[in-house]
Amino acid sequence: NAGVTQTPKFQVLKTGQSMTLQCAQDMNHNSMYWYRQDPGMGLRLIYYSASEGTTDKGEVPNGYNVSRLNKREFSLRLESAAPSQTSVYFCASRYQGSLGETQYFGPGTRLLVL
Amino acid sequence: GESVGLHLPTLSVQEGDNSIINCAYSNSASDYFIWYKQESGKGPQFIIDIRSNMDKRQGQRVTVLLNKTVKHLSLQIAATQPGDSAVYFCAESRGSARQLTFGSGTQLTVLP
Repeated sequence: NAGVTQTPKFQVLKTGQSMTLQCAQDMNHNSMYWYRQDPGMGLRLIYYSASEGTTDKGEVPNGYNVSRLNKREFSLRLESAAPSQTSVYFCASRYQGSLGETQYFGPGTRLLVL
Repeated sequence: GESVGLHLPTLSVQEGDNSIINCAYSNSASDYFIWYKQESGKGPQFIIDIRSNMDKRQGQRVTVLLNKTVKHLSLQIAATQPGDSAVYFCAESRGSARQLTFGSGTQLTVLP
């Protein structure tokens, strides 16, 4: 199992450019999440998808859109990037079962908006 | 708004000593708590979790304690090793979507 994978690993954008961050999980989890992490801070929830076909806003959704393409894939789109969106973006998927309900994280995408 | 916070931003311990990392939470509706470890340049890695109907849970070299009366979590690491150096986050989960709210993290440094 690869777990949660994210592409790209790094990206530099100019203000106003758009891009899509890709996330995929091979653990057959229903729920997936996008977080951002700013320097020296904890993660904040941008959007989540409780199951295939559904998406909902988290704590900081402004400037982002998401697509739950299928059970495996959950993408995050920046339509018009702003310097305030410079951050590290983490995707996660959630296991729920007899062993608990842990979220597993990908390695992150480091985004710099100039 | 309600949040999860940590008491200390940094902690230095000698190799072989025990480490204790503390966390305060403010939302009494949270029913599930998790500790994550994050090494530089990597995503958060699950360490241990605890449900609100428990006071203590033990893993391999780690123990989580939950005090619901004062809304306090702690992570104890026994015989701390250099590989334990990282930022540790507590997170609380609640709601139907099980969203995580993270604290700001504690940097643990293990001294030789």
